[in-house]
Amino acid sequence: KNQVEQSPQSLIILEGKNCTLQCNYTVSPFSNLRWYKQDTGRGPVSLTIMTFSENTKSNGRYTATLDADTKQSSLHITASQLSDSASYICVVTSGYTGGGNKLTFGTGTQLKVEL
Amino acid sequence: NAGVTQTPKFRILKIGQSMTLQCTQDMNHNYMYWYRQDPGMGLKLIYYSVGAGITDKGEVPNGYNVSRSTTEDFPLRLELAAPSQTSVYFCASSYYPESSYEQYFGPGTRLTVT
Repeated sequence: KNQVEQSPQSLIILEGKNCTLQCNYTVSPFSNLRWYKQDTGRGPVSLTIMTFSENTKSNGRYTATLDADTKQSSLHITASQLSDSASYICVVTSGYTGGGNKLTFGTGTQLKVEL
Repeated sequence: NAGVTQTPKFRILKIGQSMTLQCTQDMNHNYMYWYRQDPGMGLKLIYYSVGAGITDKGEVPNGYNVSRSTTEDFPLRLELAAPSQTSVYFCASSYYPESSYEQYFGPGTRLTVT
């Protein structure tokens, strides 16, 4: 069964600090991995998407890494801001390009940035 | 562009009532999806559509129906509401299959069935 596990479940950090969120997956065959940001009461918004051959991708202060051998990904947030307070969801796509693809969503890490 | 819009934002239903959740996108996307998000759980795919007139079941389709008469609209119908359908429902769209390209999500509809 395909699974995506995220840790920690929740995290509180001070504004300006860095943090790293983890994602472990057991999805086969692997197609790609995405990180989404979901603000309270809103739909998820894509931050990064990485395929098997990519091991890092950045989007502003967000940097995602992927280790396809250990089936782990991380999302690093640099110099956090109050607006980074949100749920961060890891999503892994299984299957083959063009058909039979399935997205497995993690339960998210709830991040709160405080003054 | 408004992107993906959903109505209503909130709704309370009694057991056995019916309702339709509306979803519209103005990005001319071929692919549209309905997900539900339960507390502490990842999003689950209910139904999806690869174009007007074509729909297919996702992971959790029981108790729901969809139609896709136009490219823009993808309504989700609940015929006999049950407490197990209490959830937040998200509509999403993408130009190509979601597996390779970004999905755009609507703001969600919070449904409570009592």
